[in-house]
Amino acid sequence: DQQVKQNSPSLSVQEGRISILNCDYTNSMFDYFLWYKKYPAEGPTFLISISSIKDKNEDGRFTVFLNKSAKHLSLHIVPSQPGDSAVYFCAAKKGNYQLIWGAGTKLIIKP
Amino acid sequence: KAGVTQTPRYLIKTRGQQVTLSCSPISGHRSVSWYQQTPGQGLQFLFEYFSETQRNKGNFPGRFSGRQFSNSRSEMNVSTLELGDSALYLCASSLGVGGNQPQHFGDGTRLSIL
Repeated sequence: DQQVKQNSPSLSVQEGRISILNCDYTNSMFDYFLWYKKYPAEGPTFLISISSIKDKNEDGRFTVFLNKSAKHLSLHIVPSQPGDSAVYFCAAKKGNYQLIWGAGTKLIIKP
Repeated sequence: KAGVTQTPRYLIKTRGQQVTLSCSPISGHRSVSWYQQTPGQGLQFLFEYFSETQRNKGNFPGRFSGRQFSNSRSEMNVSTLELGDSALYLCASSLGVGGNQPQHFGDGTRLSIL
């Protein structure tokens, strides 16, 4: 039972344009959502998070949007840069329980 | 500030052997979580420790075990290794188990079973 789903295994975006990564979840009790970026041969790096009491959080080029009614989370990267090419994971948790992770989306930024 | 350190980085074992992986969390972090990542898969949660106590456990067989020491360092052990145990094992630390605290990851131990 996949509680967190990233339905796009990969995404290709032109440098300078907006990258939009999507994530859907099934458990309405999740109260904290995170996005991580992972380069090959490295551990995931925390990017940005959002609490369920908010619908938007922004940090520089990264903005996360939360639509609780649709159980949908998205990460916007503007503008996209070559260094953004990586695998992006969304994750969610409820209270003190463990993080539940999506399968990841590979983002490719084309020059 | 030093990040999460995992040792060794690479390990080759044969079926039936056992292995111990080590994780040193960020200084001051008391929670350590372990994950398994296989190609094309997300991170599969193994277990989480806080103050030397296992707080959460994933759906892995009993061959997978872990522990945490008083200095918050953690080890995980896999006994009777199987081919399917070949994976990247990641350790993450955070300040605590509750609240909105992101986990910070080490670079993992790549385990290959021959």
